Amino acid sequence: KAGVTQTPRYLIKTRGQQVTLSCSPISGHRSVSWYQQTPGQGLQFLFEYFSETQRNKGNFPGRFSGRQFSNSRSEMNVSTLELGDSALYLCASSLRIINSYNEQFFGPGTRLTVL
Amino acid sequence: SQQGEEDPQALSIQEGENATMNCSYKTSINNLQWYRQNSGRGLVHLILIRSNEREKHSGRLRVTLDTSKKSSSLLITASRAADTASYFCATESTGGFKTIFGAGTRLFVKA
Repeated sequence: KAGVTQTPRYLIKTRGQQVTLSCSPISGHRSVSWYQQTPGQGLQFLFEYFSETQRNKGNFPGRFSGRQFSNSRSEMNVSTLELGDSALYLCASSLRIINSYNEQFFGPGTRLTVL
Repeated sequence: SQQGEEDPQALSIQEGENATMNCSYKTSINNLQWYRQNSGRGLVHLILIRSNEREKHSGRLRVTLDTSKKSSSLLITASRAADTASYFCATESTGGFKTIFGAGTRLFVKA
């Protein structure tokens, strides 16, 4: 079974631009979560989607948004990029049946650098 | 703010020794998980312990959970150089669908 894939793997943008990152979950997984990892703040939860619905979100400004498609693939978008948005963005997929925990499988991440 | 806090921040041991990492959290949880990350890559799930469990084993890993103290520990026995990585605890709150990670412990195992 193929693992979680994220594209692109590396990205360089300038302040003020916007960026879209993509995540393809493991086949059959309907839950996709996004995380931001920086040396200063560590791993922070962005949002979680299940069957195209956002079920929970972290404490990030509205510049960070996401969506999930009917095939469970997910995208996250960051508008008006700031230097502080430079980070490793990780996506994780899971079966995540309601009221039951399922192991999260992580992708390799997208390393975003904002200049 | 992050749910889980871990200590030590960094740990250096010799191959064959045991490594213990601790994690504390703040609110009620459904479960607590431990993950490993090698050099800024994706995370790998190691073990999960539910809120009604006190101890769990998986190979060389032993996890304990004390919900009264809101703390957990991960013990890696007979460590190997390949265990060198960052280890994170993560909690899923009773509200669900939101996993909060701790700051992590960087483990370095010297051959």
